[in-house]
Amino acid sequence: QVQLVESGGGLVEPGGSLRLSCTASGFSFSNFYMNWVRQIPGKGLEWVSYISISSATRHYRDSVKGRFIISRDNAKNSLFLEMTNLRVEDTGIYYCARDYSDTSGYWPLGNWGPGTLVTVSS
Amino acid sequence: EIVLTQSPGSLSLSPGERATLTCRASELVFGNYLAWYQLRPGQSPRLLIYGASSRATGIPDRFSGSGSGTDFTLTISRLEAEDFAVYYCQQYGSTPPQTFGQGTKVEFK
Repeated sequence: QVQLVESGGGLVEPGGSLRLSCTASGFSFSNFYMNWVRQIPGKGLEWVSYISISSATRHYRDSVKGRFIISRDNAKNSLFLEMTNLRVEDTGIYYCARDYSDTSGYWPLGNWGPGTLVTVSS
Repeated sequence: EIVLTQSPGSLSLSPGERATLTCRASELVFGNYLAWYQLRPGQSPRLLIYGASSRATGIPDRFSGSGSGTDFTLTISRLEAEDFAVYYCQQYGSTPPQTFGQGTKVEFK
């Protein structure tokens, strides 16, 4: 079955960096658009970033532009999020999420990993 | 950016009762690309409804979605114990960014 497993979270000081990874299995990773979504304490869910199948298209929410970079390695069924210049407000659980379908069109987030906790604090 | 406003913020109900949750968008949701997710404590979000009214794979038929344009509704016809959770709506037609509502908590009365 579809499995997504995140890793790389932890405690970091403001201004620090982290690299999150997501390992996928149970489906053809190279056929699916992938996303990072975070759950901010007390604020709910917040979409962070998106990457197309070929990596040609990448989008970010405004608050992380210039600080976060999304990437993927289709040969290794892996998704990444490089986070630099971290802020206290980046604290949260970061989920790797797959589009619901691999056909062209508009799709919600059909499968999610268990998440990895990122805490930015001095 | 489309802002989604969910109401009520919380809902106190008993098992077997009907739950009606609403989601209002600040502008038209393109293609009615509106989804609903369930988030239980300690678990990952679970897709329930997409395209405003289509149930995702494996979702029981007590969950139903309706609406179009700017006003959408999630209905749980008869609450079961595992349905007490937080529910989020999301629009994914006008991106980036795809946006979420602030959530509605369905709790035991």
